[in-house]
Amino acid sequence: SQQGEEDPQALSIQEGENATMNCSYKTSINNLQWYRQNSGRGLVHLILIRSNEREKHSGRLRVTLDTSKKSSSLLITASRAADTASYFCLDNDMRFGAGTRLTVKP
Amino acid sequence: GAVVSQHPSRVICKSGTSVKIECRSLDFQATTMFWYRQFPKQSLMLMATSNEGSKATYEQGVEKDKFLINHASLTLSTLTVTSAHPEDSSFYICSARRGVNTGELFFGEGSRLTVL
Repeated sequence: SQQGEEDPQALSIQEGENATMNCSYKTSINNLQWYRQNSGRGLVHLILIRSNEREKHSGRLRVTLDTSKKSSSLLITASRAADTASYFCLDNDMRFGAGTRLTVKP
Repeated sequence: GAVVSQHPSRVICKSGTSVKIECRSLDFQATTMFWYRQFPKQSLMLMATSNEGSKATYEQGVEKDKFLINHASLTLSTLTVTSAHPEDSSFYICSARRGVNTGELFFGEGSRLTVL
């Protein structure tokens, strides 16, 4: 969803586990971007996936895209306590998804 | 790497006053900048798109007379919250696009506004 129409999801896991976060968007896209936000801070760009890509990897990150369902997922493997943050997707209309607050417990 | 600077990072003001937040692209020209607001534990809500040399495009429900946006140069956009009320207290974040259309986006560190 966009513009906070849904409440952000909260996900709490143990260090070492994998974290999967989902995002839905409304409009057609050329690409979808994922960002990370530490509490009360700015945004850090993580990864961009193009509309003709179904999956993309970057280090411990794996992003998938299903344009038929207008959804994307971000997988963080072997999570670390330092991964604790909020994660958002951004569509081409510059709108963010509801986001997921991830807590990785040491 | 490209940097976007926001100032001030924190501001406290009294109800009824106006507050200006600046967003600067430090090492690139940004034809388009975006302003967002974010309430605690919520996502970022797009307020307006700021284009250099023209009027900003506001999202539905965002009062243009309340949130004045000026993009007078290719490196600076300002957001002025006029006649601030406590409900305007929020985290405001800008982003700047390097290049046109699909150019890379860079975000400022945000400005936390508290209206007493």
